[in-house]
Order: sequence, then C-alpha cells, then structure tokens
Amino acid sequence: AQKITQTQPGMFVQEKEAVTLDCTYDTSDQSYGLFWYKQPSSGEMIFLIYQGSYDEQNATEGRYSLNFQKARKSANLVISASQLGDSAMYFCAMRDLADQTGANNLFFGTGTRLTVIP
Amino acid sequence: ETGVTQTPRHLVMGMTNKKSLKCEQHLGHNAMYWYKQSAKKPLELMFVYSLEERVENNSVPSRFSPECPNSSHLFLHLHTLQPEDSALYLCASSQDAARGGGNQYFGPGTRLLVL
Repeated sequence: AQKITQTQPGMFVQEKEAVTLDCTYDTSDQSYGLFWYKQPSSGEMIFLIYQGSYDEQNATEGRYSLNFQKARKSANLVISASQLGDSAMYFCAMRDLADQTGANNLFFGTGTRLTVIP
Repeated sequence: ETGVTQTPRHLVMGMTNKKSLKCEQHLGHNAMYWYKQSAKKPLELMFVYSLEERVENNSVPSRFSPECPNSSHLFLHLHTLQPEDSALYLCASSQDAARGGGNQYFGPGTRLLVL
C-alpha cells in the first residue's frame, strides 16, 4: 500500500523568495507517479507538476520544480520567486502506474498550507 | 477555466433529506471520480467510474449512491446522511483509468454541511 507523508502543516515564505514543501512516500511498487496539486480557498485542486519514477531528470513547470530523490523516497516541491497568489494548500500525491484494477487511485498526503508574506 | 464543473457549490441538508451532487466534465475523458475531503485528513477516494462502469468502491456507506449515466456526467445521491459526512466533495476526471490513466482534473467541489 502506498503512503504519502507531508510533515509541514504550514509554511511561510517572503514574497519573491523560494520555498520547499516536503513530501516523502512509501511504496513497494517499482513504477509509480508523483503529483503535486494546489488547492486555493475556492476548493479546486489544480495540477502543478508530475514526476514518473523512471524519469531521470527532475520535473520542472515554470516556477515549480520537483526535487525527486528516489533512494530517499522524497519528492519535494520547490516554488521559486513566490507570489502572493501562491498562498494555498499544497498536496502531494502518488499513483501506482502498474495498477491493473482500473481504479487509477491517487493517494494524497494531508497537505501543507503555504502563506506568502508581502 | 476548469473543464470539470460541480453543482451545487454549497449545500446544507438535514439528516432526513435526500439530495444529489452533480459533476460534469467537458474534457472528453472516460473516467470520473468522487473524493471526500475532511478537515486535516487526506483526500479519500470514494468511487471510480471508467467507461461508465464502477471499478472501485472504497467501502463507502450505502447512504452515498453514485450514478454515472454517461462519460461526461457523474452524480452522488445522498440520503439520511450523518453530521460526520460534512466535508468538501470533489469530483475529478481523467483519460483512460484502465491503463493507469492520466492526470486527474478536479472540479471546484461541493461544500456539504449536514445538520
């Protein structure tokens, strides 16, 4: 069974600074995918970035990058040049890519609330 | 603009009421999901439909009844709920869940309060 751990319930960052949100995972699967989602107060979960377990390079999407350390089973999200609009809940999630059940289950962590300070 | 819409956005209901949540996706996906998000808990997958057939039901109480009439619409029928069912209910869709699927796209959620 997969498990996602986000140890930071809340984080603060100064506007224009970079911030790292931690995520560790536990799985016995060889093929899996790691996701980060942003959830503003409106409630919608917004996909940010994806990393496959066999991807050799760390994923990047604009100001978002994923620091993937497979041996440590960590998939930290780095947000560069923080903006006030980045204030939200951030969720790390994982999916077993070899799942044959057809369920395409995403397993989520408990989230980190990021507050960007002007 | 999100490709997944949910109505209503907010719902208050008594324990004896019957209500339904609606989700519609405009992305051409063939898999849809219901999640429950309670405070300080990870998102819980409730139901998965792939090609309009239910493929997963994570032991959800029978007072929640899903319906997927076609690949674009998903409903969650609610009856005789309990106060602990108060939560944010999120709908999501993806392409081809049966093959490990793609990224899931979420709707804005329905915030439910059961009195």
